[in-house]
Amino acid sequence: DIQMTQSPSSLSASVGDRVTITCRASQGIRNSLAWYQQKPRKAPKLLLYAASRLESGVPSRFSGGGSGTDYILTISSLQPEDFATYYCQQYSSTPLTFGGGTKVEIK
Amino acid sequence: QVQLVQSGAEVKRPGASVKISCKASKYTFTSYYMHWVRQAPGQGLEWMGLINPSGGSTIYAQKFQGRVTMTWDTSTSTVYMDLSSLTSEDTAVYFCARDRDYGSGTFLSWGQGTLVSVSS
Repeated sequence: DIQMTQSPSSLSASVGDRVTITCRASQGIRNSLAWYQQKPRKAPKLLLYAASRLESGVPSRFSGGGSGTDYILTISSLQPEDFATYYCQQYSSTPLTFGGGTKVEIK
Repeated sequence: QVQLVQSGAEVKRPGASVKISCKASKYTFTSYYMHWVRQAPGQGLEWMGLINPSGGSTIYAQKFQGRVTMTWDTSTSTVYMDLSSLTSEDTAVYFCARDRDYGSGTFLSWGQGTLVSVSS
């Protein structure tokens, strides 16, 4: 199984801050990486797939990058509605696996 | 807009089974895999497996092999997830989630979640 390690597990930031979350796979996943945002008591929402492709309707302040085993999610200017938990997920091979999550909290 | 509507919350005793339904609408049911993902209280997301509604082939995570069964009913555009031999560790919200693209393994559309509580 491919293990996905996210860091940090939580962070505090202010509105307008630039935020970066990293995700490391235990083996190469060929950009088969998605990012999700989840708010309390809601289903996750797909933000990006193929490491850097923005899902339709997702604000352009979200971006993704990386290759091989290391990937990043960047929020260029944090907005109030962005306070949530973020998960990476690899879909290079089954079992599909998620990172442990990064909770973005208000400073 | 794709809709996935799941069955309601369940309370089960240890050792029992639970069967959750996920009714799909507003897209061609057989054209996309359906996945099941669960989330224990305060924890992260865990993929359980998938079913291809075009033919019924399944892939289950090793962790759930022998305990999980995913089935489908094309006539009602519904998929089902049956989990047996429940323990307290199975207390979680269970989501169905549809592939973004056929076989993509990314989840664009999600059900609202079904809470399964296992307690004696």
